[in-house]
Amino acid sequence: GESVGLHLPTLSVQEGDNSIINCAYSNSASDYFIWYKQESGKGPQFIIDIRSNMDKRQGQRVTVLLNKTVKHLSLQIAATQPGDSAVYFCAEGSSGGGADGLTFGKGTHLIIQP
Amino acid sequence: EPEVTQTPSHQVTQMGQEVILRCVPISNHLYFYWYRQILGQKVEFLVSFYNNEISEKSEIFDDQFSVERPDGSNFTLKIRSTKLEDSAMYFCASRRTRVDEKLFFGSGTQLSVL
Repeated sequence: GESVGLHLPTLSVQEGDNSIINCAYSNSASDYFIWYKQESGKGPQFIIDIRSNMDKRQGQRVTVLLNKTVKHLSLQIAATQPGDSAVYFCAEGSSGGGADGLTFGKGTHLIIQP
Repeated sequence: EPEVTQTPSHQVTQMGQEVILRCVPISNHLYFYWYRQILGQKVEFLVSFYNNEISEKSEIFDDQFSVERPDGSNFTLKIRSTKLEDSAMYFCASRRTRVDEKLFFGSGTQLSVL
């Protein structure tokens, strides 16, 4: 079936470096994508979202890139900090009817090395 | 910032017992959700609820599960006869409108079925 998935289960980067977390999706009907951060023992926390009519969106230290041609989504975190260590999930949804809930990928564990 | 609150944070129960997980969504939100996350796995959609009825449910949400909004603030998930495989973290989420797809998650209830 169609799914949202992440390429790498664990990503380790040095503090201060930039990190890129990737996500592949296969549901061509999805037009809304969202990144969540989950710290241990906590619920998913919204980071940034993007609609399919955009290919880039920036937030504070984070940028989401959407490549609809290859169905690829990425999250870039600039100047990583220890507090960025967490599991990052991408999720997809549709704003125009159909599935009401978000479909999550498996998650990438980002580890910030001191 | 308003938040989704869930109680209890941990629930231990015997197999076959009924459990009720409680959530207070954000006050002006109209769409409510339950998700679950088995340890180390991705977040899975269970059910969505709008206008006092279920709008969508997943295959996981079988006859043992039910949801209710008993008053203007609470949103509950009941598992009628728990099984070992129901052990998971259960997240409640809400959002203001369907167009605004950003979901706000609670911190979860860790359910352990013994």
